[in-house]
Amino acid sequence: DTAVSQTPKYLVTQMGNDKSIKCEQNLGHDTMYWYKQDSKKFLKIMFSYNNKELIINETVPNRFSPKSPDKAHLNLHINSLELGDSAVYFCASSQGGRGTEAFFGQGTRLTVV
Amino acid sequence: GENVEQHPSTLSVQEGDSAVIKCTYSDSASNYFPWYKQELGKRPQLIIDIRSNVGEKKDQRIAVTLNKTAKHFSLHITETQPEDSAVYFCAASQGNFNKFYFGSGTKLNVKP
Repeated sequence: DTAVSQTPKYLVTQMGNDKSIKCEQNLGHDTMYWYKQDSKKFLKIMFSYNNKELIINETVPNRFSPKSPDKAHLNLHINSLELGDSAVYFCASSQGGRGTEAFFGQGTRLTVV
Repeated sequence: GENVEQHPSTLSVQEGDSAVIKCTYSDSASNYFPWYKQELGKRPQLIIDIRSNVGEKKDQRIAVTLNKTAKHFSLHITETQPEDSAVYFCAASQGNFNKFYFGSGTKLNVKP
């Protein structure tokens, strides 16, 4: 059983297109995240949702819009894709509260050409 | 916001030697410090964590130490093996919603 799963695993698209990445967790966690990992492997938090409510928005361009239809799902929609959006995007989840592990999905490698 | 710095960025050791990775954080409110291992093309996975009320924690060949006063924490891997080769990330977290801030990563290469 995959704890945190995201689709697709690979995404190649042209500049200017709109694309979505989906994430689902079956751990019963109440907090979900999106992280961006650039070519230098740096992991940067983008968004965090707790019980479907946006908690963290780390100065991400408004072309990125997360949506959480329920506690188990957090999707990421990206409008007007740019070359600089190319990265690996990781979804993660944890149980809200102090000091609990974040579980990561397998990542989505987005390539904008 | 929190700023986590991690050193070194790359570390090469001989099999059987020890490896040490160091991190500093800026926000004294941070209270949870996990370490993640990321193998090539895979997801980050937790290997050990420590909370602010503990100074040291050990799990077989892996140990983590925390100095709250100096705001730094370290990962120690003893008797390294080739399968320890990966990128290691430290992180600091605080608050009720586990806002994780990651260090820039250390690429560990264990030579057989």
